[in-house]
Amino acid sequence: QSALTQPPSASGSPGQSVTISCTGTSSDVGTYDYVSWYQQHPGKAPKLMIYEVSRRPSGVPDRFSGSKSGNTASLTVSGLQAEDEADYYCSSYAGSNNYVFGTGTKVTVL
Amino acid sequence: QLQLVESGGGVVQPGRSLRLSCTASGFTFSSYGMHWVRQTPGKGLEWVALIWYDGNTQYYAESVKGRFTISRDNSKNTLYLQMNSLRAEDTALYYCARRGIGGYYFDYWGRGTLVTVSS
Repeated sequence: QSALTQPPSASGSPGQSVTISCTGTSSDVGTYDYVSWYQQHPGKAPKLMIYEVSRRPSGVPDRFSGSKSGNTASLTVSGLQAEDEADYYCSSYAGSNNYVFGTGTKVTVL
Repeated sequence: QLQLVESGGGVVQPGRSLRLSCTASGFTFSSYGMHWVRQTPGKGLEWVALIWYDGNTQYYAESVKGRFTISRDNSKNTLYLQMNSLRAEDTALYYCARRGIGGYYFDYWGRGTLVTVSS
């Protein structure tokens, strides 16, 4: 199972928006609406930000949103804040009780 | 509050074994499936294994199948990962993570325990 492809880095100024892509295949992202996104600050555990493509867990700001088209999912962070600077990983169910993660994107708030 | 605390990591020689533990608190452990996920600087995050809430069903990544065993003791609120025939490529930070209610995501994670396989 190959990792999902994410851009290594993305950046934006405070208040701006940044969108991170997550490209898989017809065997994972393209077939299942089970894409999730995780935020990880240095030295910390990953935190669930989005699940099932676009659902937000309780407590996650509505500045975070998710979508999917074909084999590519996206995470958009609107109204960037300093605390949004972190690594972001996508994940998708890949069938047969397998899960695949993205390569990770470092978001920098300029 | 909900907490997952991993332990048992360390430095081990190739071919040897190690058992990781994950102690859960702040939720009804016996009601949730649990995962192990590992992270390396070079390969990022990699799903390792999943066990059903009752311990009766387990699933593994191909890379660890036949070498690793996931298990749990619901009376002790503890998840385990028995790792045998360790290889250099198993070197990673190992996280336990709770299976989300919807099933296909990881809703809470521990902070991880580091496993280094080296001679």
